[in-house]
Amino acid sequence: GDSVTQMEGPVTLSEEAFLTINCTYTATGYPSLFWYVQYPGEGLQLLLKATKADDKGSNKGFEATYRKETTSFHLEKGSVQVSDSAVYFCALSGHGSSNTGKLIFGQGTTLQVKP
Amino acid sequence: SQTIHQWPATLVQPVGSPLSLECTVEGTSNPNLYWYRQAAGRGLQLLFYSVGIGQISSEVPQNLSASRPQDRQFILSSKKLLLSDSGFYLCAWSRKGSYYEQYFGPGTRLTVT
Repeated sequence: GDSVTQMEGPVTLSEEAFLTINCTYTATGYPSLFWYVQYPGEGLQLLLKATKADDKGSNKGFEATYRKETTSFHLEKGSVQVSDSAVYFCALSGHGSSNTGKLIFGQGTTLQVKP
Repeated sequence: SQTIHQWPATLVQPVGSPLSLECTVEGTSNPNLYWYRQAAGRGLQLLFYSVGIGQISSEVPQNLSASRPQDRQFILSSKKLLLSDSGFYLCAWSRKGSYYEQYFGPGTRLTVT
């Protein structure tokens, strides 16, 4: 079945460092891909998405490119801030989700940015 | 615009007591609705989803149940809480059709003592 694998955390960076959080997937067909962010004590917020191969999603300085050849959707940011400290979830909406809208989530990666 | 509400925000309940968590969505009609649980430091576990009024699908057999009495209302219940029911409960909605994103509510923190 469909699955999402994220790099294990926590990831600890200094402010203004470059961020990469790896995400790879297994899916039948052509899924849509998402990154969500969860700040402490809050629900998940959609950060960015890509719906077809080679699409680049971007928001708030974060970017991710849908790479079908490597089945990846890595999250990047050029210069992180303390306020980016959160848990990041990669997710896909796959072949079996057309009627239910169900998403498959990765296990989440905790990012801690130190001043 | 669409908004999703959950209440209560926090809840402390003794073992064996009943539970009712409510989720409502505004600004859309006929959404798909979802209940997730997130244990401390863990990922998301999908508990139930609903594609319409009275239509509930369970993902994980457990001590909980869900109901959808109205189009934009989703309720999570239990007759007798267990310690293992503690966690952060999230409601979400999505539009009908293929490959749409989900939008999450603020969550309910449940502690069973």
